[in-house]
This record gives sequence, structure tokens and C-alpha cells, in this order.
Amino acid sequence: AQSVTQLGSHVSVSEGALVLLRCNYSSSVPPYLFWYVQYPNQGLQLLLKYTTGATLVKGINGFEAEFKKSETSFHLTKPSAHMSDAAEYFCAVGSGGYQKVTFGTGTKLQVIP
Amino acid sequence: EAGVVQSPRYKIIEKKQPVAFWCNPISGHNTLYWYRQNLGQGPELLIRYENEEAVDDSQLPKDRFSAERLKGVDSTLKIQPAELGDSAVYLCASSLEGAGGPKGNEQFFGPGTRLTVL
Repeated sequence: AQSVTQLGSHVSVSEGALVLLRCNYSSSVPPYLFWYVQYPNQGLQLLLKYTTGATLVKGINGFEAEFKKSETSFHLTKPSAHMSDAAEYFCAVGSGGYQKVTFGTGTKLQVIP
Repeated sequence: EAGVVQSPRYKIIEKKQPVAFWCNPISGHNTLYWYRQNLGQGPELLIRYENEEAVDDSQLPKDRFSAERLKGVDSTLKIQPAELGDSAVYLCASSLEGAGGPKGNEQFFGPGTRLTVL
């Protein structure tokens, strides 16, 4: 079984401030972890993913995430928020050979000018 | 390269009416997914196809929902009859192989069909 918990359904940051979106996962096997972004009335777009290897993963638009096995976390960060980052972000977990991906409930990011 | 195409983008129907959604995945992607996304929630898998075979339909409400993927390319998801609780966004996604699989291939999502049942 696998699951994802995203802490905070809404997060507000000022433009230029650090973005931190939290994700904790549960998986009975080594996880594959994903962050997706969804803009209004659009489908989900992959920001970054962790499968194996380096635990710090860099993605598009300046985002990165760090896989911490001891904390079962995969938090998403960006040093400086931009207005265009306002969207909903979904963390997801997959389990290798099971080929099923489970999504979290999402965090809506608001960027304040 | 064209992305995942879905139609229609919006659909409003009366309860008890049938409705169908169509999806054309990215060329060469053998895995296709249908998800339902309720307001304020993440996508929930309804069915996953590997080529034309439905390999995971455990979350598909089979009394009213059906899906097909003829020839392993396009897919159609049908609801008959629709209920008020079916109002949601229906997302189609595709990947080269099962997402979360050994290569961790990402899923590419279409824009979704927003269904409103009155």
C-alpha cells in the first residue's frame, strides 16, 4: 500500500520569498516520487521526479526536492517565488514494479505581489 | 509533438443521461490512464491500460462506468447513467510504460473534461 500526505491545502508566499511545499509518503517498497503542477483548467505537468540515485532532484522552473528516507519526506522548494508559480501542486508516489501512482490532495500556492 | 488530447473539454448533462469522454494519447505511449479529480482533491485512478488490455480497473465503478481502448490507441470512458456525484474533472494520461515502473516514466496529462451533472 502507498499513500501521500501534503501538509497545507493552501500556502501563501510573497513574491521573491522561499517556497516550501511539504509532502510525506508511505510505501512498503522503495518509492518513486513525483511533483506535478496544475494550472487552472489544465492537466498536470511534471515538475520533477525521484527514482534512484541522488536524493536532491532538480526540476523545471527552478524547483527542487530532496528525498529523505529517514523522514519519509519529499518536500518541494524554490528559493524565490515568482507570480507565475501560482498554481496547485501535487505530490505523488509510485512503487517500482507495481506501476501504480497515488496522488496527494494538492497544495494551492498563492504568490502575493 | 502533440500532447494528450481530450474531448470534449466541458460537458453539462442531466442526471440519468449517458456521457462519453474521448482520449488520444501521445503517439507511441502504450500505457493509458483515466483519472477522476474531484474539486479540491488529487487525481484518483479509474482504470489503466497496457496497450488494449485493462490491467487495473479495480477503482472503476463497473455498474455505471465502462471504458475501452480499441487497437491500443484511443480510448473512450463512458458513464451510463450519470449521477450527481459524478460531477468532476476526468483526466486522461499516457506514458511510455507504467509510471512508477522500473524507469519511473512520467505520465503526460491531457487538459481534462469537466463534467457537470445537474
